[in-house]
Amino acid sequence: SYELTQPPSVSVSPGHTASITCSGDNLGDKNACWYQQKPGQSPVLVIYQDTKRPSGIPERFSGSNSGNTATLTISGTQAMDEADYYCQAWDSTTALFGGGTKLTVL
Amino acid sequence: QVQLQESGPGLVKPSETLSLTCTVSGGSISGYYWNWIRQPPGKGLEWIGYIYYSGSTNYNPSLKSRVTISVDTSKNQVSLKVSSVTAADTALYYCARMASMTTVSRRYFDLWGRGTLVTVSS
Repeated sequence: SYELTQPPSVSVSPGHTASITCSGDNLGDKNACWYQQKPGQSPVLVIYQDTKRPSGIPERFSGSNSGNTATLTISGTQAMDEADYYCQAWDSTTALFGGGTKLTVL
Repeated sequence: QVQLQESGPGLVKPSETLSLTCTVSGGSISGYYWNWIRQPPGKGLEWIGYIYYSGSTNYNPSLKSRVTISVDTSKNQVSLKVSSVTAADTALYYCARMASMTTVSRRYFDLWGRGTLVTVSS
């Protein structure tokens, strides 16, 4: 069965760039989304269709998807960006999520 | 502004059926897919399935034999039933909206409810 793999944790210093990866066989042939989930809150869509930002999401959030890896990049990371991040894609007609990455800003 | 509100019993006994409702307020249920997604405490997200406003459904193969999702457009509500529950079904259950797109791979969950915690225990 198809799987999406994320690193369990990523650390970044404030103001620096954070990159969170999501790996899957030929993931670049699919469309990847990214969701941010802060403690005690519901997930929020931050990137859809590989590179698009929903209205209200800061420009510092960007996405890419090629080969076997989709990447969420947060430029100029702020303390408020500390959260769990999940990638998501479709395997045929089944929605799959990655295991999630805890982003720590320190 | 469209809001989603999940509701239902917070405690279900093993082997019984879990039943939840998602009420959509501030907008119409028409034209969208409505999903159920769950998250066990301290763990990641698992997609359960969706229903289109017209009634067509699609379920996660891993849960398909135990899951039923239905829609009541007159009440702007979507319902979830999971039968024969075990402790593994203990989770925060979310309702999420998905725009209608012909290409499945381009779909995404753009609006989520706050979720409702369901514990399976005797």
